[in-house]
Amino acid sequence: DQQVKQNSPSLSVQEGRISILNCDYTNSMFDYFLWYKKYPAEGPTFLISISSIKDKNEDGRFTVFLNKSAKHLSLHIVPSQPGDSAVYFCAASVDRSNTGKLIFGQGTTLQVKP
Amino acid sequence: DAGVIQSPRHEVTEMGQEVTLRCKPISGHNSLFWYRQTMMRGLELLIYFNNNVPIDDSGMPEDRFSAKMPNASFSTLKIQPSEPRDSAVYFCASGLIGQGGQPQHFGDGTRLSIL
Repeated sequence: DQQVKQNSPSLSVQEGRISILNCDYTNSMFDYFLWYKKYPAEGPTFLISISSIKDKNEDGRFTVFLNKSAKHLSLHIVPSQPGDSAVYFCAASVDRSNTGKLIFGQGTTLQVKP
Repeated sequence: DAGVIQSPRHEVTEMGQEVTLRCKPISGHNSLFWYRQTMMRGLELLIYFNNNVPIDDSGMPEDRFSAKMPNASFSTLKIQPSEPRDSAVYFCASGLIGQGGQPQHFGDGTRLSIL
């Protein structure tokens, strides 16, 4: 029972263009969503998050959109840079439960070509 | 400020041996999480602690796995006896829960190979 799904294992974009990474979830109790970036031989690094009371959160080149009715979130990277090449994980939690427990998607490998 | 520190970074051992992975969380964090990453199952939560107390160990695959957190600055994940299917990257993460919307911070992992 995979509660958080990233259906695209990989994505390739040209430098300077937009990267859009998608994530779907099934549990309507989730109220806090995060994106992590992972380079080889390193741990996941927190990138950006969004609470379910919002539908958009922006931080520099990174924007996360949340569509609660569709149970879908996406991460937009504009403009994409070669250094953004990494594996991106989305994660979700029931934040009001105060457990901090995260459920992760399988990850999407982004390649940004110079 | 130091992040989450895991040791060793790599471990290669023979089947049947005991393996101990170590984690030092970020100072001041009140929760600690152990994850395992494999190609087949992705990043899966094994166990987590809140204020040094194990809260949910439902992700621990078998009784061969055990985890402890004797104090706020140290945790171990032990596998005894180890098997080849335990080969994976094990991550430790810490966080500050109870303050609304705080992310977990991960260590760089231990790559475990059981021969």
